[in-house]
Amino acid sequence: EPEVTQTPSHQVTQMGQEVILRCVPISNHLYFYWYRQILGQKVEFLVSFYNNEISEKSEIFDDQFSVERPDGSNFTLKIRSTKLEDSAMYFCAASQGQWNSPLHFGNGTRLTVT
Amino acid sequence: AQSVTQLGSHVSVSEGALVLLRCNYSSSVPPYLFWYVQYPNQGLQLLLKYTSAATLVKGINGFEAEFKKSETSFHLTKPSAHMRDAAEYFCAVSEVGGSEKLVFGKGTKLTVNP
Repeated sequence: EPEVTQTPSHQVTQMGQEVILRCVPISNHLYFYWYRQILGQKVEFLVSFYNNEISEKSEIFDDQFSVERPDGSNFTLKIRSTKLEDSAMYFCAASQGQWNSPLHFGNGTRLTVT
Repeated sequence: AQSVTQLGSHVSVSEGALVLLRCNYSSSVPPYLFWYVQYPNQGLQLLLKYTSAATLVKGINGFEAEFKKSETSFHLTKPSAHMRDAAEYFCAVSEVGGSEKLVFGKGTKLTVNP
């Protein structure tokens, strides 16, 4: 079964640095998402993306975050100036439709900010 | 706004015993409900989903869940646990016709003892 692929699997960065997390969704999926999971906490919604624009974002997704799908395949999450509290597992997900369509998740990128 | 409560952050059962993982939801409109499983170092994998058809939903790996509107519950069960079932399980809700995002519970880590 086609997979959602995320790279890198682990990223270590210094506070204040920019990071870009990459995702290659399943080709026939139209809705794309980023979620994150801080160690020991819930999986939290960050942002959804459809038709080349953000369709919904959470209060976590502030001006330091951005998403884009520049070439029609890669879906990226950029954090402009990382903070210690951005350390988390970041999951990319994709679906064919809304609401009852299952989300297919990648294996995640573990971001460690030092 | 919808929310999910998973009772018990850790559940431990013996191999062959019944597995019961509890999930209660809160939603102002009819919900879609999901159970996801996360094996170590992997992403979230859909186990099963409820989308307003049959209230008893069968999923992969012998798991099933029953939607009980009167109890606002969607508990996950499996008659006989296997060692390979050891993982973290997440209940999630989205709203029919509402926000497309999934709201997750905190997760329940299942340990299966030989």
